[in-house]
This record gives sequence, C-alpha cells and structure tokens, in this order.
Amino acid sequence: GDSVTQKQGQVTLSEDDFLFINCTYSTTTYPTLLWYVQYPGQGPQLLLKVTTANNKGISRGFEATYDKGTTSFHLQKASVQESDSAVYFCALVETQVVGQLTFGSGTRLQVYA
Amino acid sequence: NAGVIQTPRHKVTGKGQEATLWCEPISGHSAVFWYRQTIVQGLEFLTYFRNQAPIDDSGMPKERFSAQMPNQSHSTLKIQSTQPQDSAVYLCASSSGLGDYEQYFGPGTRLTVL
Repeated sequence: GDSVTQKQGQVTLSEDDFLFINCTYSTTTYPTLLWYVQYPGQGPQLLLKVTTANNKGISRGFEATYDKGTTSFHLQKASVQESDSAVYFCALVETQVVGQLTFGSGTRLQVYA
Repeated sequence: NAGVIQTPRHKVTGKGQEATLWCEPISGHSAVFWYRQTIVQGLEFLTYFRNQAPIDDSGMPKERFSAQMPNQSHSTLKIQSTQPQDSAVYLCASSSGLGDYEQYFGPGTRLTVL
C-alpha cells in the first residue's frame, strides 16, 4: 500500500529563519502530493498540492516541490513567522480519484519571536 | 459556508458505553471521510462514503465500529462498548467528489473513554 515517511518530528526556529521539511513516499499509483497544516483545536487544512505534472506548488509564502527520482517532496518557506507555528503533515492521494489520504506522522513547527 | 460541522466537540464516556459522533459535510459535497487522530498512530483513515454509499471501510476496526450516512447532510460514526484505546480525536472531512481529492476537515470530536 501507499506510505509516507516524515522523519522530522519537531522543528524549532526563530522568526525570519528558513524552513525545510522533507517527506518521502512509496506508491504504485500516480500520486498527488499534499501538504496540510493543523492549528490547535482545528482539523487539518490543505496548504499546498503538487502533482507529478507540475512538480511545484506555492501558497501563502510556502513552496512545495517534488523529486520523482528520490520519491521525495518537501515544504519550504524563506522566512517563517510566529503565526506559522503549527503541525505540518505531508500526504498523498491517487490523482483524480476521490479516496483516502495517506498521511505522514507530522512535523510540529515552533517559531519564536 | 460553515465548513464541516462535527458534534459534539468533546465526549467523555465510561468503558463499555456507546458513543455516537455526528458529522455534517459541506453542502453540495458528495464524499465524506472519517479519520482518527492519536499521538501514537497519527492520522488514520477509517472509512468513506460517496453519494451516501459506503465505498471503502478498510480502516474501520471490524468490531464495535460502524458508520452510516442516511442522507446527504449527515454521517454518523458509532462506537459500541467503548474502550480506553478508542480515546482519540475523530475527524470528518468532505470533498466535492468530482475527481477532487481536496478534503475539507471539520474540527474533530475528542473522545475520552474513562
């Protein structure tokens, strides 16, 4: 089955630092790769999506890119703010098919002013 | 658009009692998903419906857990004879279902089994 590995359990940064979170995946299908963000007391919300066609997604200052050769995709932001503190999940789903999301274990980002 | 609504937000049950969790998807969305979130296991898929029909329940524990979608405006997840290991946040999500994999999550129901 599909699997997603997110090794960074926690990242602690100061404001204006660079953020990089990496995920690797395994699937036999044609996946769309997603980043979700979860704030305390809320459900996850979609931050970015990357398809194997476009290789990159950008939203709210975050950028997600995909490397088919290493079956990895990562999330980065040039300058984080305290308000970015949250848990970030990578996930995948079979492109163009409504179905379950397979989530990574999440990375808790703590940004200090 | 009110988003996905889940009730109750918190539920405390005693061991062996039944718990019913409710989800109201976004109006017009035809696919509804249930996930469970714990610190140890993370986000786990349980089941999903499309146009009220059960499509995939591969994540549902075979005993004690059941889900229904009696109409397009709500779905329920029922846990019979709750056990402490059922304690988790249960998340409901919906999507438009038109080849659209973007799922919109509700705030979740935190179930605590004493």
